[in-house]
Amino acid sequence: EPEVTQTPSHQVTQMGQEVILRCVPISNHLYFYWYRQILGQKVEFLVSFYNNEISEKSEIFDDQFSVERPDGSNFTLKIRSTKLEDSAMYFCASTTDRVGGYSGANVLTFGAGSRLTVL
Amino acid sequence: LAKTTQPISMDSYEGQEVNITCSHNNIATNDYITWYQQFPSQGPRFIIQGYKTKVTNEVASLFIPADRKSSTLSLPRVSLSDTAVYYCLVYSSASKIIFGSGTRLSIRP
Repeated sequence: EPEVTQTPSHQVTQMGQEVILRCVPISNHLYFYWYRQILGQKVEFLVSFYNNEISEKSEIFDDQFSVERPDGSNFTLKIRSTKLEDSAMYFCASTTDRVGGYSGANVLTFGAGSRLTVL
Repeated sequence: LAKTTQPISMDSYEGQEVNITCSHNNIATNDYITWYQQFPSQGPRFIIQGYKTKVTNEVASLFIPADRKSSTLSLPRVSLSDTAVYYCLVYSSASKIIFGSGTRLSIRP
């Protein structure tokens, strides 16, 4: 079964450092997402990306965050200057772009997550 | 985006049938109802999706009444491994898919 792959699985960083989290979505998927989950809390939407640009973003996704798809396979989330409150599990997800009469809403496939610890 | 309401937590025992109900009064005509399951330290995983009436797969059944303002996820004969958080989502567009707080299901021996 196709998988979404995320690296690293765990990263520890110092406050103020830049972090890049990497994702390889499923190859024929066209929509890509980043979600965040602080320990014990719900899964929070950060951003969606389609056709090489941001489609939607949440209020959490401020200027310290950025996403890009540098080489047609990787999808990255950059946190420019990490804060303590950025400590969380970050999940990448992807889905196909269902248009033209397909019956059903898009189903997300998630990666295993990257745990970010900011000290 | 339609808001969903589901119980914060539920408990059951192995071998029982578990029904988790989700309320979505503002569901739009094009919206589908999709349920995801999340185990600790893992990403959510798709369980089932439906538009109306009943949908069944190898994992669960989804019951949706005619007015579509609620839905019920049914897990037959649960086991300890079904202990997880279950999320009910209502959406049609792929651009912004929002998770609610989910229902934390605990299964006891």
